[in-house]
Amino acid sequence: GAGVSQSPSNKVTEKGKDVELRCDPISGHTALYWYRQSLGQGLEFLIYFQGNSAPDKSGLPSDRFSAERTGGSVSTLTIQRTQQEDSAVYLCASSPPRFLGVPGEQYFGPGTRLTVT
Amino acid sequence: QKEVEQNSGPLSVPEGAIASLNCTYSDRGSQSFFWYRQYSGKSPELIMFIYSNGDKEDGRFTAQLNKASQYVSLLIRDSQPSDSATYLCAPRGIGYQLIWGAGTKLIIKP
Repeated sequence: GAGVSQSPSNKVTEKGKDVELRCDPISGHTALYWYRQSLGQGLEFLIYFQGNSAPDKSGLPSDRFSAERTGGSVSTLTIQRTQQEDSAVYLCASSPPRFLGVPGEQYFGPGTRLTVT
Repeated sequence: QKEVEQNSGPLSVPEGAIASLNCTYSDRGSQSFFWYRQYSGKSPELIMFIYSNGDKEDGRFTAQLNKASQYVSLLIRDSQPSDSATYLCAPRGIGYQLIWGAGTKLIIKP
């Protein structure tokens, strides 16, 4: 079946502008994660949605970052007033319900490469 | 102490040899352990998971887990140049989230 999809694949924006990144998880997956990966670095956790529970926002680096998940499916990560240090690849992952598969397994989308000039 | 420790590498292994990738973790409550492979410029992909002490084999890959020592490893037999990538170790923490290591860069030399 279809995997996790993300759009756009690349985004170039000017410093100070707002950007929206979209993630469409695998159908039926209840958990959704956003990560950031700077060049040559590891995965930095940003935010986690699980079903209808309140999201875990503990990884968001500043109040310029926000995310929402509508209808338990598609998610949008918004970065306001972008800064050059926001340049990175933003990855989305989803997980199946806990009673299916192996609890914790995550499937990643192809990512959005954000460049702030 | 980092929650998940991996040697950053690069680990250079001759083609056809066994590549051994190691990972230690600090959370004794972790129950499941995942190995992901990430090619340069690509997103991570799941290779294997393990949740019982001992070995688990899948083709050329073997995951090993020792919960008492808080140690998990991944062996790749008959290494191929296509195995060259960064390998990420990720124990499952509380709330079913994965705790990510920084990864080990593996280079298979023809």
